[in-house]
Amino acid sequence: DGGITQSPKYLFRKEGQNVTLSCEQNLNHDAMYWYRQDPGQGLRLIYYSQIVNDFQKGDIAEGYSVSREKKESFPLTVTSAQKNPTAFYLCASRGDRSYEQYFGPGTRLTVT
Amino acid sequence: AQSVTQPDIHITVSEGASLELRCNYSYGATPYLFWYVQSPGQGLQLLLKYFSGDTLVQGIKGFEAEFKRSQSSFNLRKPSVHWSDAAEYFCAVGRTGTASKLTFGTGTRLQVTL
Repeated sequence: DGGITQSPKYLFRKEGQNVTLSCEQNLNHDAMYWYRQDPGQGLRLIYYSQIVNDFQKGDIAEGYSVSREKKESFPLTVTSAQKNPTAFYLCASRGDRSYEQYFGPGTRLTVT
Repeated sequence: AQSVTQPDIHITVSEGASLELRCNYSYGATPYLFWYVQSPGQGLQLLLKYFSGDTLVQGIKGFEAEFKRSQSSFNLRKPSVHWSDAAEYFCAVGRTGTASKLTFGTGTRLQVTL
């Protein structure tokens, strides 16, 4: 079954700790994206990657970091520098020669 | 810069009634447009997309949308709503360039009464 997996579904951390969210896809897509979703604000782009070993900042990259060492994996690290990390995080991917993005099930991060 | 407006934050319809969710976009070129649906605590599922050609596009689950360039709109419609359609709906516009980044509206939450 092809798709995008995100783990874990729920994540709890103490303030000041870095945390890494996993995103894996077996769709053979080149492009991958990370979004943050807050109530009433829609989705906002954090980082995106069009190819292995390359990635660019999105609209709200401060306090986040990513890596793209493998085509199928695009992990997101929420650092202690992110002021309001509690949110729902969504990973997406896009195939070559297409414009639509396909989303994973999301990870809800709660930082206290 | 491109933007997407979904003017209705929350809509309630009766099961079996028709539905129209509004979406207006601001974009300097011919856009590519999407509607996604999200159930609580889940990811987004693509309902339909418009790139070019026929301005009335059909999607999954009986949804359709019409692109109206003169009104900068891409409204989502369904002739008869089912209780299972209750969810949040997002309109998105694609940006030019190979990155194909999407700009999302703030969403419309649909409630269906029985």
